Amino acid sequence: AQKITQTQPGMFVQEKEAVTLDCTYDTSDQSYGLFWYKQPSSGEMIFLIYQGSYDEQNATEGRYSLNFQKARKSANLVISASQLGDSAMYFCAMREMMKTSYDKVIFGPGTSLSVIP
Amino acid sequence: NAGVTQTPKFRILKIGQSMTLQCAQDMNHNYMYWYRQDPGMGLKLIYYSVGAGITDKGEVPNGYNVSRSTTEDFPLRLELAAPSQTSVYFCASSQGADTQYFGPGTRLTVL
Repeated sequence: AQKITQTQPGMFVQEKEAVTLDCTYDTSDQSYGLFWYKQPSSGEMIFLIYQGSYDEQNATEGRYSLNFQKARKSANLVISASQLGDSAMYFCAMREMMKTSYDKVIFGPGTSLSVIP
Repeated sequence: NAGVTQTPKFRILKIGQSMTLQCAQDMNHNYMYWYRQDPGMGLKLIYYSVGAGITDKGEVPNGYNVSRSTTEDFPLRLELAAPSQTSVYFCASSQGADTQYFGPGTRLTVL
Protein backbone atom coordinates (compact mmCIF):
# COMPACT_ATOMS: atom_id res chain seq x y z
CA ALA A 1 0.00 0.00 0.00
CA GLN A 2 1.30 3.43 -0.89
CA LYS A 3 2.24 5.30 2.22
CA ILE A 4 2.78 8.76 0.75
CA THR A 5 0.35 10.18 -1.80
CA GLN A 6 0.95 13.29 -3.83
CA THR A 7 -2.10 13.66 -6.06
CA GLN A 8 -0.81 16.54 -8.19
CA PRO A 9 1.69 15.30 -10.78
CA GLY A 10 2.08 18.84 -12.12
CA MET A 11 1.17 22.31 -10.88
CA PHE A 12 1.42 25.81 -12.32
CA VAL A 13 1.52 29.02 -10.32
CA GLN A 14 1.88 32.66 -11.27
CA GLU A 15 5.01 34.36 -10.00
CA LYS A 16 4.49 36.11 -6.63
CA GLU A 17 1.38 34.07 -5.86
CA ALA A 18 1.11 31.36 -3.17
CA VAL A 19 0.77 27.68 -4.01
CA THR A 20 -0.14 24.60 -1.99
CA LEU A 21 1.32 21.19 -2.79
CA ASP A 22 -0.71 18.32 -1.39
CA CYS A 23 0.61 15.37 0.57
CA THR A 24 -1.29 12.69 2.43
CA TYR A 25 0.28 9.84 4.33
CA ASP A 26 -0.65 6.57 5.91
CA THR A 27 0.86 5.26 9.12
CA SER A 28 -0.24 3.51 12.26
CA ASP A 29 2.66 4.95 14.25
CA GLN A 30 2.02 7.67 16.80
CA SER A 31 5.51 9.07 16.40
CA TYR A 32 6.67 10.03 12.93
CA GLY A 33 8.14 12.90 10.99
CA LEU A 34 7.22 14.56 7.73
CA PHE A 35 9.64 16.20 5.32
CA TRP A 36 9.54 18.16 2.10
CA TYR A 37 12.39 18.13 -0.37
CA LYS A 38 12.93 20.16 -3.53
CA GLN A 39 14.63 18.74 -6.59
CA PRO A 40 15.46 21.33 -9.27
CA SER A 41 16.28 20.36 -12.83
CA SER A 42 19.95 20.14 -11.85
CA GLY A 43 19.05 17.01 -9.89
CA GLU A 44 20.15 17.63 -6.33
CA MET A 45 17.79 17.00 -3.41
CA ILE A 46 17.34 20.02 -1.15
CA PHE A 47 15.74 19.76 2.29
CA LEU A 48 13.00 22.38 2.81
CA ILE A 49 11.03 21.76 5.98
CA TYR A 50 10.29 19.21 8.71
CA GLN A 51 7.27 18.56 10.93
CA GLY A 52 7.21 16.12 13.84
CA SER A 53 3.97 14.33 14.64
CA TYR A 54 3.94 15.77 18.15
CA ASP A 55 4.64 19.33 17.06
CA GLU A 56 1.56 21.37 17.81
CA GLN A 57 2.48 24.30 15.63
CA ASN A 58 2.88 24.12 11.87
CA ALA A 59 6.49 24.29 10.79
CA THR A 60 7.69 27.34 8.87
CA GLU A 61 10.97 28.07 7.10
CA GLY A 62 11.06 31.40 5.33
CA ARG A 63 8.57 31.24 2.45
CA TYR A 64 7.78 27.59 3.16
CA SER A 65 5.18 26.43 5.63
CA LEU A 66 3.78 23.01 6.31
CA ASN A 67 0.02 22.78 6.83
CA PHE A 68 -0.12 19.79 9.16
CA GLN A 69 -3.55 18.26 9.75
CA LYS A 70 -2.91 15.16 11.82
CA ALA A 71 -6.47 13.85 11.92
CA ARG A 72 -6.67 14.01 8.14
CA LYS A 73 -3.12 12.68 7.78
CA SER A 74 -2.14 15.49 5.50
CA ALA A 75 1.04 17.56 5.37
CA ASN A 76 0.65 20.09 2.60
CA LEU A 77 3.49 22.40 1.64
CA VAL A 78 2.61 26.06 1.16
CA ILE A 79 5.01 28.26 -0.78
CA SER A 80 4.26 31.94 -0.46
CA ALA A 81 5.27 34.60 -3.00
CA SER A 82 6.43 32.10 -5.63
CA GLN A 83 9.65 32.81 -7.46
CA LEU A 84 10.89 31.53 -10.81
CA GLY A 85 13.55 29.59 -8.94
CA ASP A 86 10.84 27.59 -7.20
CA SER A 87 10.21 25.65 -10.40
CA ALA A 88 11.22 22.10 -9.48
CA MET A 89 10.00 18.69 -8.37
CA TYR A 90 8.80 18.58 -4.78
CA PHE A 91 8.82 15.39 -2.75
CA CYS A 92 6.94 14.71 0.44
CA ALA A 93 8.54 12.12 2.71
CA MET A 94 7.66 10.42 5.96
CA ARG A 95 9.91 9.00 8.63
CA GLU A 96 8.42 6.01 10.39
CA MET A 97 9.66 4.70 13.71
CA MET A 98 10.61 1.11 13.15
CA LYS A 99 11.03 -1.58 15.78
CA THR A 100 14.70 -1.67 14.91
CA SER A 101 16.97 1.27 15.53
CA TYR A 102 16.47 2.55 12.01
CA ASP A 103 13.83 5.10 11.19
CA LYS A 104 12.70 4.38 7.67
CA VAL A 105 12.05 7.29 5.35
CA ILE A 106 9.52 6.84 2.56
CA PHE A 107 9.22 9.24 -0.35
CA GLY A 108 6.14 10.15 -2.35
CA PRO A 109 6.09 10.23 -6.17
CA GLY A 110 6.58 13.99 -6.33
CA THR A 111 4.83 17.05 -7.75
CA SER A 112 6.31 19.11 -10.56
CA LEU A 113 5.84 22.83 -9.93
CA SER A 114 6.23 25.37 -12.69
CA VAL A 115 6.26 29.08 -11.86
CA ILE A 116 4.99 31.29 -14.67
CA PRO A 117 6.41 34.81 -15.06
CA ASN B 1 32.45 21.36 4.56
CA ALA B 2 31.92 19.33 1.41
CA GLY B 3 28.84 17.59 2.85
CA VAL B 4 27.99 14.45 0.90
CA THR B 5 30.09 13.75 -2.18
CA GLN B 6 29.48 11.14 -4.86
CA THR B 7 31.63 9.88 -7.69
CA PRO B 8 31.31 9.46 -10.59
CA LYS B 9 28.64 11.90 -11.75
CA PHE B 10 27.88 9.94 -14.88
CA ARG B 11 28.65 6.41 -16.02
CA ILE B 12 27.68 4.13 -18.86
CA LEU B 13 28.03 0.39 -18.31
CA LYS B 14 27.58 -2.59 -20.56
CA ILE B 15 25.33 -5.41 -19.44
CA GLY B 16 27.22 -7.72 -17.12
CA GLN B 17 29.88 -5.21 -16.09
CA SER B 18 30.48 -4.29 -12.47
CA MET B 19 31.23 -0.98 -10.81
CA THR B 20 31.35 0.78 -7.47
CA LEU B 21 29.61 4.06 -6.77
CA GLN B 22 31.51 6.03 -4.19
CA CYS B 23 29.92 8.08 -1.42
CA ALA B 24 31.62 10.05 1.33
CA GLN B 25 30.42 12.46 3.99
CA ASP B 26 32.43 14.75 6.25
CA MET B 27 29.71 15.58 8.78
CA ASN B 28 30.44 12.64 11.08
CA HIS B 29 26.93 11.30 10.50
CA ASN B 30 26.16 7.82 11.73
CA TYR B 31 23.39 7.09 9.24
CA MET B 32 24.03 6.70 5.53
CA TYR B 33 21.70 5.64 2.74
CA TRP B 34 21.63 4.70 -0.91
CA TYR B 35 18.57 5.51 -3.00
CA ARG B 36 17.74 5.10 -6.63
CA GLN B 37 15.43 7.39 -8.55
CA ASP B 38 13.93 6.13 -11.76
CA PRO B 39 12.66 8.66 -14.33
CA GLY B 40 9.58 10.52 -13.10
CA MET B 41 9.53 8.62 -9.83
CA GLY B 42 10.35 9.19 -6.20
CA LEU B 43 13.27 7.67 -4.34
CA LYS B 44 13.53 4.05 -3.33
CA LEU B 45 15.88 2.89 -0.61
CA ILE B 46 18.47 0.32 -1.69
CA TYR B 47 20.64 -0.11 1.41
CA TYR B 48 21.31 1.81 4.57
CA SER B 49 23.79 1.86 7.41
CA VAL B 50 23.38 3.01 11.01
CA GLY B 51 27.09 3.04 11.70
CA ALA B 52 30.47 1.67 10.69
CA GLY B 53 30.30 -2.08 10.24
CA ILE B 54 26.49 -2.18 10.16
CA THR B 55 24.46 -2.36 6.96
CA ASP B 56 20.99 -3.54 6.08
CA LYS B 57 18.72 -3.94 3.10
CA GLY B 58 16.19 -1.37 2.04
CA GLU B 59 13.27 -1.72 -0.33
CA VAL B 60 15.14 -2.67 -3.52
CA PRO B 61 18.48 -4.35 -2.60
CA ASN B 62 18.69 -7.01 -5.31
CA GLY B 63 21.70 -6.62 -7.57
CA TYR B 64 23.58 -4.39 -5.14
CA ASN B 65 25.99 -4.70 -2.25
CA VAL B 66 27.37 -2.22 0.25
CA SER B 67 30.04 -1.98 2.89
CA ARG B 68 30.68 0.51 5.69
CA SER B 69 34.23 0.13 6.93
CA THR B 70 34.45 3.76 8.10
CA THR B 71 31.98 6.39 9.27
CA GLU B 72 32.80 8.56 6.27
CA ASP B 73 32.46 6.13 3.35
CA PHE B 74 29.55 4.06 2.08
CA PRO B 75 30.28 2.57 -1.36
CA LEU B 76 27.59 0.85 -3.42
CA ARG B 77 28.65 -2.08 -5.56
CA LEU B 78 26.80 -3.21 -8.68
CA GLU B 79 27.59 -6.73 -9.81
CA LEU B 80 26.53 -7.91 -13.27
CA ALA B 81 24.84 -4.66 -14.31
CA ALA B 82 21.42 -4.97 -15.96
CA PRO B 83 19.37 -2.42 -17.96
CA SER B 84 16.88 -2.32 -15.07
CA GLN B 85 19.60 -0.66 -13.00
CA THR B 86 19.63 2.39 -15.24
CA SER B 87 18.75 5.13 -12.79
CA VAL B 88 20.02 8.08 -10.81
CA TYR B 89 21.64 7.01 -7.56
CA PHE B 90 21.63 9.24 -4.53
CA CYS B 91 23.66 8.81 -1.40
CA ALA B 92 22.48 10.55 1.77
CA SER B 93 23.53 10.86 5.39
CA SER B 94 21.90 11.97 8.60
CA GLN B 95 22.73 12.35 12.26
CA GLY B 96 20.27 10.01 13.90
CA ALA B 97 16.82 9.92 12.37
CA ASP B 98 16.65 13.58 11.43
CA THR B 99 17.04 15.43 8.17
CA GLN B 100 18.89 13.58 5.44
CA TYR B 101 21.49 15.43 3.42
CA PHE B 102 21.87 14.27 -0.13
CA GLY B 103 24.79 14.02 -2.48
CA PRO B 104 24.56 15.36 -6.06
CA GLY B 105 23.71 11.96 -7.51
CA THR B 106 25.24 9.56 -10.02
CA ARG B 107 23.48 9.05 -13.33
CA LEU B 108 24.01 5.46 -14.45
CA THR B 109 23.04 4.01 -17.81
CA VAL B 110 23.32 0.29 -18.53
CA LEU B 111 23.26 -0.63 -22.22
